[in-house]
Amino acid sequence: QVQLQESGPGLVKPSETLSLTCTVSGGSINNYYWTWIRQPPGKGLEWVGYLYYSGHTKSNPSLKSRVTILGDTSKNQVSLKLSSVTAADTAVYYCARVVVSGWYFLSWGQGTLVTVSS
Amino acid sequence: QSALTQPASVSGSPGQSITISCTGTSNDVGGFNYVSWYQQHPGKAPKLMIYDVTKRPSGISSRFSASKSGNTASLTISGLQAEDEADYYCNSYTSSSTYVFGTGTKITVL
Repeated sequence: QVQLQESGPGLVKPSETLSLTCTVSGGSINNYYWTWIRQPPGKGLEWVGYLYYSGHTKSNPSLKSRVTILGDTSKNQVSLKLSSVTAADTAVYYCARVVVSGWYFLSWGQGTLVTVSS
Repeated sequence: QSALTQPASVSGSPGQSITISCTGTSNDVGGFNYVSWYQQHPGKAPKLMIYDVTKRPSGISSRFSASKSGNTASLTISGLQAEDEADYYCNSYTSSSTYVFGTGTKITVL
C-alpha cells in the first residue's frame, strides 16, 4: 500500500515561493500520475496540478503560471512550487496518486498546512 | 474552470436515505464517465468513496451508491449512520485534461 507524506515550511511570506515535497513510500513514482490538491481553512477542495513521472504536467488555469510540479525518481519524491504567494494561498496542501484508468485520487497524504503571512 | 455545484448541506435521520447532487457542464461531468466522490471528516484527508461515476473501491459500504444523468452526478447514502456525517465532494475530469471539484456538501445526521 503506497503511502504519501507532505513536508515543507508551514509559514511563507507574501510574494515568496511556497515549496512542498511529497515523499512516496511503498511504491515507485514511476509510471504514475501524481497530483496536488489544496484546501483553504474552512473551504472546499481545489485541484492544483498534476505530474506524470516522465515530466508531463498540467495545472489549474486559475493559478496561471505560478505552479511548478517536479518529480525526483532518485528520492521517490514529487515537489510543488507556487510562486508569488498571497494570503489566498493559505491552505492545507495534499498530494495524492492518480489512478489513470479512471482519473481519480485513491491514495492521499495527510496534508500539510501552509500559512502565507508576513 | 468553475467549481461543480453541490448543495451546501443535506441532513437526514439515521436509517434514511439522502442524495447529493453535483452539477457541471458537458465539458466535465456530462462529457466523461470520470466522476468521483470523496468523504472528508474534520481534520482528515479526503477518502475516495466512488469512482468512474458508479464504482465503489474495496472496503466502501454498499450503502454508498452513485449515478449520472446528463451534466449532473448524484451520490446516495442509504441507511444513514452517524459515521456518515462529514463533508462530501464530487470531482470530474475535464475536456482540458484538468480536474474540477464540487463546492462540497456537509451531511448532518439528525
